[in-house]
Amino acid sequence: DTGVSQDPRHKITKRGQNVTFRCDPISEHNRLYWYRQTLGQGPEFLTYFQNEAQLEKSRLLSDRFSAERPKGSFSTLEIQRTEQGDSAMYLCASSLPLHDPTFGSGTRLTVV
Amino acid sequence: GENVEQHPSTLSVQEGDSAVIKCTYSDSASNYFPWYKQELGKGPQLIIDIRSNVGEKKDQRIAVTLNKTAKHFSLHITETQPEDSAVYFCAASTPQFSGGYNKLIFGAGTRLAVHP
Repeated sequence: DTGVSQDPRHKITKRGQNVTFRCDPISEHNRLYWYRQTLGQGPEFLTYFQNEAQLEKSRLLSDRFSAERPKGSFSTLEIQRTEQGDSAMYLCASSLPLHDPTFGSGTRLTVV
Repeated sequence: GENVEQHPSTLSVQEGDSAVIKCTYSDSASNYFPWYKQELGKGPQLIIDIRSNVGEKKDQRIAVTLNKTAKHFSLHITETQPEDSAVYFCAASTPQFSGGYNKLIFGAGTRLAVHP
């Protein structure tokens, strides 16, 4: 068990481009969460899955954002038509029900 | 919705001193309060948590206290060491009917610097 893995670690993209991030949770964890963290702030909840079902989405998750977890294992977060305000660290976490989430090291997105 | 405020934003102590970080929350339904440590370039790592059926919990040099009436909780680190230097986040969560917790609401963080 290598923990929660996120790829890529860093992404620089031009404004208007689409980006996709991947998260591989701890293998037996059926819950998967996405958070966004901007500089000097705490993580903000974006969405979470139980198995393949997306159970909650934050209002922070605009129409340009979409998350999937097609087989209840890895998840992807896609941002379309990126804006400078999307620059942040995107954190993935996973857990079993009633257990504390374990966070990955995040994907740092810079939109130029 | 839930709102968590955290103070101070920065804290500088001498090695061996104690450090205290305080958080308040707004949703009285919250009953799970974890604390995370985040080092540069890494994701948050859970260091201790407390649930509302207890008022205090201790793990070696780290302790957390909870006052549900006042809706505040605190992290206490004793005998601080340089490796304790990091950003610390408090968080709060409300339980789901189906069991477990769906999301954490984080404070803005406290940057702790422990000087040798």
